[in-house]
Amino acid sequence: AQSVTQLDSQVPVFEEAPVELRCNYSSSVSVYLFWYVQYPNQGLQLLLKYLSGSTLVKGINGFEAEFNKSQTSFHLRKPSVHISDTAEYFCAVSDRADSWGKFQFGAGTQVVVTP
Amino acid sequence: DTAVSQTPKYLVTQMGNDKSIKCEQNLGHDTMYWYKQDSKKFLKIMFSYNNKELIINETVPNRFSPKSPDKAHLNLHINSLELGDSAVYFCASSQDRGGTSLSYEQFFGPGTRLTVL
Repeated sequence: AQSVTQLDSQVPVFEEAPVELRCNYSSSVSVYLFWYVQYPNQGLQLLLKYLSGSTLVKGINGFEAEFNKSQTSFHLRKPSVHISDTAEYFCAVSDRADSWGKFQFGAGTQVVVTP
Repeated sequence: DTAVSQTPKYLVTQMGNDKSIKCEQNLGHDTMYWYKQDSKKFLKIMFSYNNKELIINETVPNRFSPKSPDKAHLNLHINSLELGDSAVYFCASSQDRGGTSLSYEQFFGPGTRLTVL
C-alpha cells in the first residue's frame, strides 16, 4: 500500500514569486506519480506526471516537478505564479504493477496568490 | 465535447431520501471510479469498475450502490441519505494499463455537490 504526504496544507504566495509544493510518498513498490490541480468549484485537471525517464518533468501552465527516488519525493515548482494559479493542488501515486490504476491522493495544498 | 460528464451538478435533498448521480465518459476508457471529496478537500476513492465489473470497493456503507450498465457509464445510487453524505462526488475514468496505452492518468468529471439537509 502507498501513502502520500503533502507537507503544507496552505501556501500563501505573492504574484510573480516562485512557489514549491512538497509531496512525499511511501511505498514498497515502484510507483507512478502525478500532480493535479483543482480550481474553485471545478474538477481535477492533470498538471504533470512522472512515469519513467528524466526525473525532471514539465507540465502545463509553467509547472514542473522533480522525482527524487532516494528521498521518495515529487515536489512541484513554478518560478513565477499568477493570480490564476490560486487553486488546490493534489499529489497522487499509483502502483506500477496495478492494472486498474488505483490512485492514492495526498490531502491537498491550497495555494493562494495575492497581488 | 465533455470527456467525463456528471449529472446533476448540484443536488439538495432531505435526510432519508434516495438519490442517484450519473456519470458518462466518451474517452473509450475501460475503468471508471467514484470519489468522495469532503469539506476539507480530502479525496477518497469509493468504487471502481472495469468493463462493467466491480474491481475496487472501499469501506463504503452499503447504502451506496454503484451500477455500470456499460463501460461508458457508472452511476451512483445512495439510499437513506444522511447528513454525513454531504460532499462533492467525483467520477473519473482511465484507460487500462499495458498494451499501447501511455496514458495512465485519471480523467475527472466536474463533480456533483450533494447537500443533505
